[in-house]
Amino acid sequence: DVKVTQSSRYLVKRTGEKVFLECVQDMDHENMFWYRQDPGLGLRLIYFSYDVKMKEKGDIPEGYSVSREKKERFSLILESASTNQTSMYLCASSLYPAGGGQFFGPGTRLTVL
Amino acid sequence: QKEVEQDPGPLSVPEGAIVSLNCTYSNSAFQYFMWYRQYSRKGPELLMYTYSSGNKEDGRFTAQVDKSSKYISLFIRDSQPSDSATYLCAMSPTGGGNKLTFGTGTQLKVEL
Repeated sequence: DVKVTQSSRYLVKRTGEKVFLECVQDMDHENMFWYRQDPGLGLRLIYFSYDVKMKEKGDIPEGYSVSREKKERFSLILESASTNQTSMYLCASSLYPAGGGQFFGPGTRLTVL
Repeated sequence: QKEVEQDPGPLSVPEGAIVSLNCTYSNSAFQYFMWYRQYSRKGPELLMYTYSSGNKEDGRFTAQVDKSSKYISLFIRDSQPSDSATYLCAMSPTGGGNKLTFGTGTQLKVEL
């Protein structure tokens, strides 16, 4: 069965802290994605990766960076957290190039105080 | 104007009703269409995945794509309270292996 896991369900951080969000998939998928989801704005793509050590900017990469050292793991880093980064963060993975849809993790609700 | 438009609802129906959820889009390059179900405080779950125009059925769910009208639909037959969730449409020119464009979601409540 398809599985994407995220390191934390809920996280509270202070402004200026460095924040790491981890995502692991067990489906041997090439592609991995990080989104944030906000009311009224839907899902917005932050970064994605189609291979180990490769990354591409999404629609809203500012204030974020990513790391993919292993195929199954994709990390999102908030270099200096700010209150406007309070959001639900969702990781997803998919096959490449056939696609077949993206499979999402349970999400991390991040609050920055 | 957004590339994908979806009525946010909320949509409230009685148990057993047929539900119709819809999205319109503007990018004629979209070829792959998906519907996701998202329960409160959970990640989206892939429900239906279709390519190009036509219908696809899976149990109580039917996905319909009309590329000439740039309009997609998800029908839920015999709706149940467990169907209460937010439904997101998503689409891509190249399949799920690349960027998806999402609608903002329609909140559905099925009442006893």
